[in-house]
Amino acid sequence: NAGVTQTPKFQVLKTGQSMTLQCAQDMNHNSMYWYRQDPGMGLRLIYYSASEGTTDKGEVPNGYNVSRLNKREFSLRLESAAPSQTSVYFCASSTTVGQPQHFGDGTRLSIL
Amino acid sequence: ELKVEQNPLFLSMQEGKNYTIYCNYSTTSDRLYWYRQDPGKSLESLFVLLSNGAVKQEGRLMASLDTKARLSTLHITAAVHDLSATYFCAVDIKNSWGKFQFGAGTQVVVTP
Repeated sequence: NAGVTQTPKFQVLKTGQSMTLQCAQDMNHNSMYWYRQDPGMGLRLIYYSASEGTTDKGEVPNGYNVSRLNKREFSLRLESAAPSQTSVYFCASSTTVGQPQHFGDGTRLSIL
Repeated sequence: ELKVEQNPLFLSMQEGKNYTIYCNYSTTSDRLYWYRQDPGKSLESLFVLLSNGAVKQEGRLMASLDTKARLSTLHITAAVHDLSATYFCAVDIKNSWGKFQFGAGTQVVVTP
């Protein structure tokens, strides 16, 4: 049971570099989400995709872009990484409203 | 804007004693979720509360929801070391296609 798979698990970038975080789910869920987790701040929503073909901004979208490639995959791109984007990034998915979101193992990203 | 406040943010528990974590939220919602996160790990869904008066129990944990007071509680009975973790509540934002607003989390440490 893979659930929600995130790659990579760890990454170190230099300021200004770009990278894409990958997320795939095998539960046939409609909705997918990207969060960042910083100490003492809980999880903050970056972008979400309510269904295949749609994406929308969350609470902290600046500096990020997303692509819902198909129903399974939802990627997060940092075009020009900044030290303020050092965080743990979680991808999640859910089947419908009223159901819990299922989380991946996270990507620990450091930007120097 | 929906705000979700948890308290306390840190809770030192003695084994065998009972404790409560509180989750208050600022606007109307009928759905609330509790998650557990172990250090360096992903989030695990504990409870889904979908209506006023809902009560769910699993082992030493019991969660309840009062939508009129905009309050959920997570009660821990006879704490044991294995319950050491960070607990998050998340509120379903109404009419938002399943977007959640998370609390900051309560770090629980259980000692003998």
